[in-house]
Amino acid sequence: AQTVTQSQPEMSVQEAETVTLSCTYDTSESDYYLFWYKQPPSRQMILVIRQEAYKQQNATENRFSVNFQKAAKSFSLKISDSQLGDAAMYFCAYRSGTASKLTFGTGTRLQVTL
Amino acid sequence: NAGVTQTPKFRVLKTGQSMTLLCAQDMNHEYMYWYRQDPGMGLRLIHYSVGEGTTAKGEVPDGYNVSRLKKQNFLLGLESAAPSQTSVYFCASSYSVGGGRGYEQYFGPGTRLTVT
Repeated sequence: AQTVTQSQPEMSVQEAETVTLSCTYDTSESDYYLFWYKQPPSRQMILVIRQEAYKQQNATENRFSVNFQKAAKSFSLKISDSQLGDAAMYFCAYRSGTASKLTFGTGTRLQVTL
Repeated sequence: NAGVTQTPKFRVLKTGQSMTLLCAQDMNHEYMYWYRQDPGMGLRLIHYSVGEGTTAKGEVPDGYNVSRLKKQNFLLGLESAAPSQTSVYFCASSYSVGGGRGYEQYFGPGTRLTVT
């Protein structure tokens, strides 16, 4: 079974600085997708970024980018120019290429300070 | 376009009572899911459906039943609530997967359920 591990329960970053959230996963499959979801205090789950395993190029969405290391099974999220609105729980998630369900990590709570 | 909606947003039950959570989506998605979120454990899949009239068990299905009579609706039922079912419940939906498509799941706002 696939597992997703987020080893940082909490992280803190100053406004305008850069922070990296870690995620590792375990799978024997070659076709899969990885996601980062953001959950602000409103509780709504918001997709931040998605990475297809077959793509070597790291995904980027504005201030958010990933460092996808397929051999190491690592999928970290980098947030540049951090803003107060980035404060939230961040979940890493894995999905097989042929199955529909998501497997989530336990989350990292990000605090953004002035 | 409301996306994914959940009813109710909050509910308090006594042990042994029953209730149904309703999820609706207006994006014509084939797949729908129910997750529960507990502190320190992320989201775990309860049941899911790959189309109207179909359901399948997820990671933590015990104590729950589901039905998908219409494509746009996915119901989660608790027949006899237990304190261990106190949690936040999320519904999600997505297009069908496979064939190289990595469609993300879209989530509802969640339902906070407390069982006393």
